[in-house]
Amino acid sequence: GEDVEQSLFLSVREGDSSVINCTYTDSSSTYLYWYKQEPGAGLQLLTYIFSNMDMKQDQRLTVLLNKKDKHLSLRIADTQTGDSAIYFCAEGSNTGTASKLTFGTGTRLQVTL
Amino acid sequence: GAVVSQHPSRVICKSGTSVKIECRSLDFQATTMFWYRQFPKQSLMLMATSNEGSKATYEQGVEKDKFLINHASLTLSTLTVTSAHPEDSSFYICSARGETNRGGGEKLLFGSGTQLSVL
Repeated sequence: GEDVEQSLFLSVREGDSSVINCTYTDSSSTYLYWYKQEPGAGLQLLTYIFSNMDMKQDQRLTVLLNKKDKHLSLRIADTQTGDSAIYFCAEGSNTGTASKLTFGTGTRLQVTL
Repeated sequence: GAVVSQHPSRVICKSGTSVKIECRSLDFQATTMFWYRQFPKQSLMLMATSNEGSKATYEQGVEKDKFLINHASLTLSTLTVTSAHPEDSSFYICSARGETNRGGGEKLLFGSGTQLSVL
């Protein structure tokens, strides 16, 4: 079955860049997503990338996709304390009208002063 | 704006009791609802998918008689954990796919999750 892996924890200093990595196994993935979860809140979609793209930039966020290695990364430039959260990558494979997402374990990002 | 409101956020119950978790969509028509479970330090795992007015489709290994899902309307879905046991202790989160009442295309929204602890 599909498998998505992430490291569990990342600590960065405020102002530095954060890079959160993710690997997946399903070569038929259509979309790859990054979600953010703040304490007590639901999952918030940050950005997504189609599998036929290799990079997407959205303000401070840069997503890189290496389809050959099945490796996805999220770079957050100028990391702020408000970026402290758990970040989940997910791969999506459409089955009919319902999309099934497979999530990674989540990476807890800690931003220090 | 459109949100999915999930309640309760935390519940502690005795072994053998049943627990109901609700997800309500606000300003949003949830045509499809997904229920996930997450054990500590593990991925979110899809338990079941339900379309409004239809029976839920359960993933392999998920007992449909234990995890009862009702999706009778476009704004409410419930997950009932029947005769809960300590091994059912987990974080449960719903996700709704559908259209907002103001248009703008299809979206996938998540609830805030429910931490279930069974003693």
